[in-house]
Amino acid sequence: EVQLVESGGGLVQPGGSLRLSCAASGFTFSDHYIDWVRQAPGKGLEWVGRSRNRAHSYTTESAASVKGRFTISRDDSKNSLYLQMKSLKTEDTALYYCARDGGDDVDAYDFWGQGTMVTVSS
Amino acid sequence: DIHLTQSPSFLSASVGDRVIITCRASQVISSYLAWYQQKPGKAPKLLIYAASTLQSGVPSRFSGSASGAEFTLTISSLQPEDFATYYCQQPDSYPITFGQGTRLEIK
Repeated sequence: EVQLVESGGGLVQPGGSLRLSCAASGFTFSDHYIDWVRQAPGKGLEWVGRSRNRAHSYTTESAASVKGRFTISRDDSKNSLYLQMKSLKTEDTALYYCARDGGDDVDAYDFWGQGTMVTVSS
Repeated sequence: DIHLTQSPSFLSASVGDRVIITCRASQVISSYLAWYQQKPGKAPKLLIYAASTLQSGVPSRFSGSASGAEFTLTISSLQPEDFATYYCQQPDSYPITFGQGTRLEIK
């Protein structure tokens, strides 16, 4: 069974840092692109960034709103994806999901985690 | 950036109704469009990808189509469990973008 489990969320002051984790199981982690998607309270979905798979050298993409502040990395030996967030702003407050891209056969997020909440407030 | 505009943003309908939600892209994106359903407190669920391919396990009352830069999600006969918020997404051009959502409520 495919599972994605996020952790690491919490309350942080503006300007602070936080590291989110996404633990994957039930599939070959290195074969898939894994993305971070966030949802501010009562708002829609916003793409944060992507980690490509081993075949694409684990390269990353990021949304303009987080570029230079957020860094995506992964450790295939631990089947885990990470989101290192720094210089956090109040507008980064959101539920952060990791989501699996289904690959060439399913060009969409076929599995999502349950999310981890990040609150940026003084 | 590719901007996706969903219409309507809010829809009130009854069980058994046929419902159509539209997603218009600001530029041509071929057939690379997905639809998700999200219920309160839950993660989104993939319904349709590649504009018209039904994800495994999704009921056949859901269907998708495309015409140029306009995409539609149709629910042929609403069931009580279908009342939720629906999002379109283009997964192929960076930045990846979502529509603003369509909230479907019971009339």
